[in-house]
This record gives sequence, C-alpha cells and structure tokens, in this order.
Amino acid sequence: EAGVAQSPRYKIIEKRQSVAFWCNPISGHATLYWYQQILGQGPKLLIQFQNNGVVDDSQLPKDRFSAERLKGVDSTLKIQPAKLEDSAVYLCASSLLGTLSYEQYFGPGTRLTVT
Amino acid sequence: AQRVTQPEKLLSVFKGAPVELKCNYSYSGSPELFWYVQYSRQRLQLLLRHISRESIKGFTADLNKGETSFHLKKPFAQEEDSAMYYCALRTNAGKSTFGDGTTLTVKP
Repeated sequence: EAGVAQSPRYKIIEKRQSVAFWCNPISGHATLYWYQQILGQGPKLLIQFQNNGVVDDSQLPKDRFSAERLKGVDSTLKIQPAKLEDSAVYLCASSLLGTLSYEQYFGPGTRLTVT
Repeated sequence: AQRVTQPEKLLSVFKGAPVELKCNYSYSGSPELFWYVQYSRQRLQLLLRHISRESIKGFTADLNKGETSFHLKKPFAQEEDSAMYYCALRTNAGKSTFGDGTTLTVKP
C-alpha cells in the first residue's frame, strides 16, 4: 500500500511570510496527526484529527497555526505569519484508530527553514 | 501532563555488545508505550509496542510500572542497528508524546 505522502519536502521562507503543508494519509486511516520536530528534539504533537474532527490541538499555536482535514482524508497545515522559531521538520502521520494500539505511519516530513 | 525522558542523547557500542536504550515516563494513567526507529534517510517507523510483548529485530522492551520505565534492549548489537530511537507514550485519550531520542551508533 502507498505510504503517507507529504508536500513540499523542503520550503524556505522569510519571517512573517505564510506557508502551507499538505498531507495525504494512508487510505482508510481515520486518524491523522501533525507533528513539529525541532532539530535535536522529538516530534511534538500539534494536532490530531479523527476523520474530519479535531481530537487534540492543545499544543497548536492557534494565533499563527491552523489546520484542516478536508472530507476526512487530506489535510493542510498553515503557518501565518511564520517566525524564526518555526524552523523545523513537520511530520504527518496516520493510523487506523486513535485510541487503540495501532501504529502510526509517518510521512517523509517537510523541512521548513524560516530566515 | 505526561512526559517521556530519554536520558542519553548519544550511545555508542561495539558490534556484538549488549545495548540498552533507556526510557522513563511520567503519566498518571495506564500508558501504552512504544519504541519508534528512524534509520538514515528513512521515515520514522514503529519498532515495537509494549502491549504486544514482541521481539523485533532482536530488540525487546519491558514495561516496568514501578520504575515507570520502558528500556529497549538487545543482547548483541549489529551495525545495521545504528539509528535514532524514540520512545513514545500514548495516553488513554489517544494523545502521543515522544521523547527527544537517542542516537545509537554500533561500531564494527
């Protein structure tokens, strides 16, 4: 089966600009996650969707970050305006269900550099 | 709030030596614990989960609720085990928290 797809793979923007990332999960996976991974740190959960509803967005900086999951399939994560500290790899993952012991399948990530 | 701590950023062993990657957690509920691995130029992927009590690629991990630990062990390390390892915790509500990872290098 095809894995989790993400685009773009790399993005360089200046601070105060906007950027959007796209994720296509594995077909049939109800749960979708967005993580932020800063260099030298582990992935930090930003938002978790179950189908097209938000399960957890407690660590999403809502003043500048937004995310949506269209029709419970693809998802976009947007940053507006970007800050230098947003430089990180943004990982998308999906799993069959969010509350049972199903593994998360990760995409290749989008490396964002804010200058 | 839950927390996962991996005290070693870097770990280096020789091929054939035993290896143990430490993971400690804090969570008031009953957690699910996982080990994820990222090989060079590959995606993050699941290695093993405590609920399955399985051995994958020779690695095992036992959940010790008394010590709140979930250390990853392998009796004889191989060069292909060199990778970044992340310990992760999932809460009863399904929220995932990752540690900051340990880079394992297995020298020939």
